[in-house]
Amino acid sequence: DAGVIQSPRHEVTEMGQEVTLRCKPISGHDYLFWYRQTMMRGLELLIYFNNNVPIDDSGMPEDRFSAKMPNASFSTLKIQPSEPRDSAVYFCASSLRRGAEAFFGQGTRLTVV
Amino acid sequence: AQTVTQSQPEMSVQEAETVTLSCTYDTSESDYYLFWYKQPPSRQMILVIRQEAYKQQNATENRFSVNFQKAAKSFSLKISDSQLGDAAMYFCAYRAYSGAGSYQLTFGKGTKLSVIP
Repeated sequence: DAGVIQSPRHEVTEMGQEVTLRCKPISGHDYLFWYRQTMMRGLELLIYFNNNVPIDDSGMPEDRFSAKMPNASFSTLKIQPSEPRDSAVYFCASSLRRGAEAFFGQGTRLTVV
Repeated sequence: AQTVTQSQPEMSVQEAETVTLSCTYDTSESDYYLFWYKQPPSRQMILVIRQEAYKQQNATENRFSVNFQKAAKSFSLKISDSQLGDAAMYFCAYRAYSGAGSYQLTFGKGTKLSVIP
């Protein structure tokens, strides 16, 4: 398996623009997570899905953030409109239902100017 | 709510020496998992080692081992024979075994490890 795949690896956008981050989890994993990493706050869980259904989105900072998982092999995290304070590394991770480890993608470094 | 604390923002070790990274956590659960993840400059999060709380035996993975003290809620990582490739951020993480939060990972703030040639 290729592991968790995220795209793009880097994204630079202007304030006010819409940004869409993409994730393909490991095949067979029932759980998918979106994390955000910043120097100030470390790794924060934004939202997670179980069997494509959002379970806990309490970490989503604002209504500008939305996440979807239309099928078991694809998820998106969208920011609209983007702001400079959204600049961070965004990780997608997946895990088995009965497993313990979460496997991470390589992250998307987002810069909003 | 569970919390994970890493009290050492930065550590350094001489190549070939041994270093121990500290982690403490707070939980009311009796069954849970603990992990150490490594994040090199490439920013990939790599699982180093995991420990199930119900196991008394400390986990080991080659040069990496843990000292798990359940009563003290302590979970330290020992790296033996340190290599230049061990230089990275190391994150301690917690995950409950069951319940509403059982599929979330709670991370510490990380420890930046430097390896001196």
